[in-house]
Amino acid sequence: DADVTQTPRNRITKTGKRIMLECSQTKGHDRMYWYRQDPGLGLRLIYYSFDVKDINKGEISDGYSVSRQAQAKFSLSLESAIPNQTALYFCATSDLLGYEQYFGPGTRLTVT
Amino acid sequence: GNSVTQMEGPVTLSEEAFLTINCTYTATGYPSLFWYVQYPGEGLQLLLKATKADDKGSNKGFEATYRKETTSFHLEKGSVQVSDSAVYFCALSDRGTDKLIFGTGTRLQVFP
Repeated sequence: DADVTQTPRNRITKTGKRIMLECSQTKGHDRMYWYRQDPGLGLRLIYYSFDVKDINKGEISDGYSVSRQAQAKFSLSLESAIPNQTALYFCATSDLLGYEQYFGPGTRLTVT
Repeated sequence: GNSVTQMEGPVTLSEEAFLTINCTYTATGYPSLFWYVQYPGEGLQLLLKATKADDKGSNKGFEATYRKETTSFHLEKGSVQVSDSAVYFCALSDRGTDKLIFGTGTRLQVFP
């Protein structure tokens, strides 16, 4: 079984809808991250969490929120989706050193 | 701030050709450096890393040397295979924040 799983893998939604992307990990890591990947822009950090009680904004947090329900679960929400949030979203985890991150398979989100 | 610059792709090669993907960085202090690879339809996975100057990371025939004097971490492979076709990301760890900063990615296409 995969160490980092994301659901759903693909989602098409309409402008203005609320949507939640979920991430679960079995690696026992404290640190979890949400990234967004756009062509030509690489990966950009949306939010990150160093433990259950710690949530931090990344470089592009506007329009997004997160919830760290447990050590193993980290959810990303779009409260009111807009078309320019169409992208590939990745969850990742790391140990305390943070040097190596383990990525999930990604969620392809399309906002029409 | 810290940043990573890597060559634009796509890089198109014939099987068994020599590969170089350039990566340079800007950072305060002494970051760790990484190459991640993203195969089609998958998340990123760590390919190799180097944690201090003059270290050489290597894996699966790929190599990269941490050059502090030229602030570079170029990825090389002596003989590429079709199965190496993927997107390659250079990254550095920001020791102040323990976050990874990614380059924009370079797509490699290897033809038989």
